Amino acid sequence: NAGVTQTPKFRVLKTGQSMTLLCAQDMNHEYMYWYRQDPGMGLRLIHYSVGEGTTAKGEVPDGYNVSRLKKQNFLLGLESAAPSQTSVYFCASSGRPGALNGYTFGSGTRLTVV
Amino acid sequence: GQQLNQSPQSMFIQEGEDVSMNCTSSSIFNTWLWYKQDPGEGPVLLIALYKAGELTSNGRLTAQFGITRKDSFLNISASIPSDVGIYFCAGQNYGGSQGNLIFGKGTKLSVKP
Repeated sequence: NAGVTQTPKFRVLKTGQSMTLLCAQDMNHEYMYWYRQDPGMGLRLIHYSVGEGTTAKGEVPDGYNVSRLKKQNFLLGLESAAPSQTSVYFCASSGRPGALNGYTFGSGTRLTVV
Repeated sequence: GQQLNQSPQSMFIQEGEDVSMNCTSSSIFNTWLWYKQDPGEGPVLLIALYKAGELTSNGRLTAQFGITRKDSFLNISASIPSDVGIYFCAGQNYGGSQGNLIFGKGTKLSVKP
């Protein structure tokens, strides 16, 4: 059982380039999330989705877009990468709020923007 | 919005020592969770707490859901080298349509040189 899978694991981008991070879950979870993790800042929510076809902004959504065309996939896009977007990105999924076992996280994508 | 204060930010442990960390909030939560993140990996759930006053153990780990519902504690007994990592607390409310987890900034556990 793979859980939450993120691709790619590492990426280096030049300023202004675009890219898409893919998150896939095989647990039939309704909810999916994208976080970024920076030193001393903990985990900050970028965008989330409460079901197929829905997305919503989190704490730090600027510069990112997301799509949830299929229940099992949640894509995070950077249209024009900036050095401030250098970070480690984590995807997570969960059942409905209150469901047991909280969030399941992927192993992360380390992105460097030069 | 809701914020969690997690302390300490970092600590050094010697093998065999007991470790304590805590999280406090200005508002109440329905659920408290504790995660551990190993280097290069995503956070993994350690303990979930669902009732005020609840005390739950997972091996050498014990966590408590504060009676006021505004705090939670995690204790690690007889620490071992593989306990190093970053520990996150998280609180959740799930009344209404939104029930996102709110995360603390983490407690980094390192081994004393």
